Amino acid sequence: QSALTQSPSASGSPGQSVAISCTGTSSDIGGYNYVSWYQQHPGNAPKLIIHEVSKRPSGVPDRFSGSKSGNTASLTVSGLQAEDEADYYCSSYAGTYKWVFGGGTKLTVL
Amino acid sequence: EVQLVESGGGLVQPGGSLRLSCAASGFTFSRHYMHWVRQAPGKGLVWVSGIETDGSSATYADSVTGRFTISRDNAKSTLYLQMNSLRAEDTAVYYCGRGQYYAKDVWGQGTTVTVSS
Repeated sequence: QSALTQSPSASGSPGQSVAISCTGTSSDIGGYNYVSWYQQHPGNAPKLIIHEVSKRPSGVPDRFSGSKSGNTASLTVSGLQAEDEADYYCSSYAGTYKWVFGGGTKLTVL
Repeated sequence: EVQLVESGGGLVQPGGSLRLSCAASGFTFSRHYMHWVRQAPGKGLVWVSGIETDGSSATYADSVTGRFTISRDNAKSTLYLQMNSLRAEDTAVYYCGRGQYYAKDVWGQGTTVTVSS
């Protein structure tokens, strides 16, 4: 159960778009369309923002979008806003009812 | 309001035991797969364990297999995590999460476990 690989940090100016990548293997990301993304502000619990690669839960702005190609998933945040500054974690189903998370990416809005 | 509330965290010595609880409200608990996820201080999220809707099947991360046991009481809408043989590296905030879409769509506020002598 190796963690998925995320870049430790990303940044962008207000209004810009930023992409955060998440790399796994054929046993997790590449094997299933069950990639999810979570946003976590300091001191708060994580919040689901993307499930099943690209689906947004009710209430999540359409500025957040997800995609997948092979063993790599991506989260794109468009029209960056100050409140988007947070930690972002990817996660994937890894078979046999086990899940794996990425190490997290700290998004800074400049 | 859909809500998960964890409790039971605290300070425990290495080798000790602790049982965490997660009380669910606002939804039909028995219809959802449930998870425990932990986050060590300053670190990322780590999936710990999951349990089937009726409690018949459970899975664990390699790091806790044989030491932790997940269970649930659907009559009480409560999820549990029994943690034995605790180690310093188990120190973390422990979150319970509701399973949906092969993700965790509702999270509790977390309970802190500190393993130290």
